Amino acid sequence: SFELTQPSSVSVSPGQTVRITCSGDVLGNKFGRWFQQKPGQAPVLIIYKDNQRPSGIPERFSGSNSGTTVTLTISGAHVEDEADYYCHSATDNHLGVFGGGTKLTVL
Amino acid sequence: QVQLVESGGGVVQPGRSLRLSCTASGFTFNIYSLFWVRQTPGKGLDCVAVISYDGNYQNYADSVRGRFTVSRDNSKNTLFLQMNSLRPEDTAIYYCARDDLPYSVGAFDYWGQGTRVTVSS
Repeated sequence: SFELTQPSSVSVSPGQTVRITCSGDVLGNKFGRWFQQKPGQAPVLIIYKDNQRPSGIPERFSGSNSGTTVTLTISGAHVEDEADYYCHSATDNHLGVFGGGTKLTVL
Repeated sequence: QVQLVESGGGVVQPGRSLRLSCTASGFTFNIYSLFWVRQTPGKGLDCVAVISYDGNYQNYADSVRGRFTVSRDNSKNTLFLQMNSLRPEDTAIYYCARDDLPYSVGAFDYWGQGTRVTVSS
């Protein structure tokens, strides 16, 4: 089965940079994407194809891939960035796989 | 803009059935594959079903295979999830999501707001 591993929680001070990693063998040949989810809301796509930002997503969000690890970087975190972040990869069975989610605290 | 609106959730006893719907607008429905993704507090996010843009391909997570059926009505811009033999572990928020590219079955971009399903006696 497919697995993606990410830290359960990270914290950052406003204005600082934070990185969230996501590791899994499937990322060696599939693109990674990142979703942001705030309480009571649906997930929102913030990074696709490892490092592409959909329109409307602030430039402080960026992504990278190094082999079997993708990384979400928030450069200059805002208080409103406090949320859960999930990595995701497509899989050959078309169901995809999610990481367990990372709770980002900005304080 | 792209909108996906789920409905049909509720409280149901174990062993019973429920049918979820997802009504779409803001895009050409019949060229996009669609997904059902559920979220539980304990297990996070899981995609449980996918259906291709033309309805000819479906796949299911092992946890729901044989109990859930995904279908779509392209004339009504609506996606369905028929859930039979429900179990307490099916309790979750169910989201529909759209593929990010037309004529493909890959990964999703837009999500609906979700509908809550509770399986309890």
